[in-house]
Amino acid sequence: EAGVAQSPRYKIIEKRQSVAFWCNPISGHATLYWYQQILGQGPKLLIQFQNNGVVDDSQLPKDRFSAERLKGVDSTLKIQPAKLEDSAVYLCASRAGLKETQYFGPGTRLLVL
Amino acid sequence: AQSVTQPDIHITVSEGASLELRCNYSYGATPYLFWYVQSPGQGLQLLLKYFSGDTLVQGIKGFEAEFKRSQSSFNLRKPSVHWSDAAEYFCAVETSYDKVIFGPGTSLSVIP
Repeated sequence: EAGVAQSPRYKIIEKRQSVAFWCNPISGHATLYWYQQILGQGPKLLIQFQNNGVVDDSQLPKDRFSAERLKGVDSTLKIQPAKLEDSAVYLCASRAGLKETQYFGPGTRLLVL
Repeated sequence: AQSVTQPDIHITVSEGASLELRCNYSYGATPYLFWYVQSPGQGLQLLLKYFSGDTLVQGIKGFEAEFKRSQSSFNLRKPSVHWSDAAEYFCAVETSYDKVIFGPGTSLSVIP
């Protein structure tokens, strides 16, 4: 079974530029999560989708971050414009349902200069 | 508000020694609890999970964790640490609507 795929793996941009990350969850997984992990910290939930609907985006900085999950499968996370403090690893995870294991992708490491 | 604390930022143990990583949570209802491990450059991997029933749960790689409701704790243990266990360990709690909150992590170093 294929795991959670993310691309790109690494991205370097300058502040005020825009960037987009892509996630392909495990087939059949209804719930998809985007986390931000700053160096030395635990993952922080940015947004959670159930199929193509948003369940929780309370910690998503909506003035600069946006996310969508078209057709309840793939998802994209966008930052526009990027700030220095957005430098982090962006993790995508998916799970089949409540109490099921969350499977994480390898992450996208973003550096904003 | 729901939260997870891991009091130890960094722990160093000798290979072969026992290990206990602490985790405390704040959640009003019965929690679902998890421990994940993250090796350098690797993704997060689930070690074990607790939903209900026996409060001592077994996981992969020889790890176990004990849920203590009275102490709001879910500590991770391993009787004999291997050098390959050096990694970052995260405790997490699942709240309503499948929302999973992670603790800040404990970094484990193993001395040969």
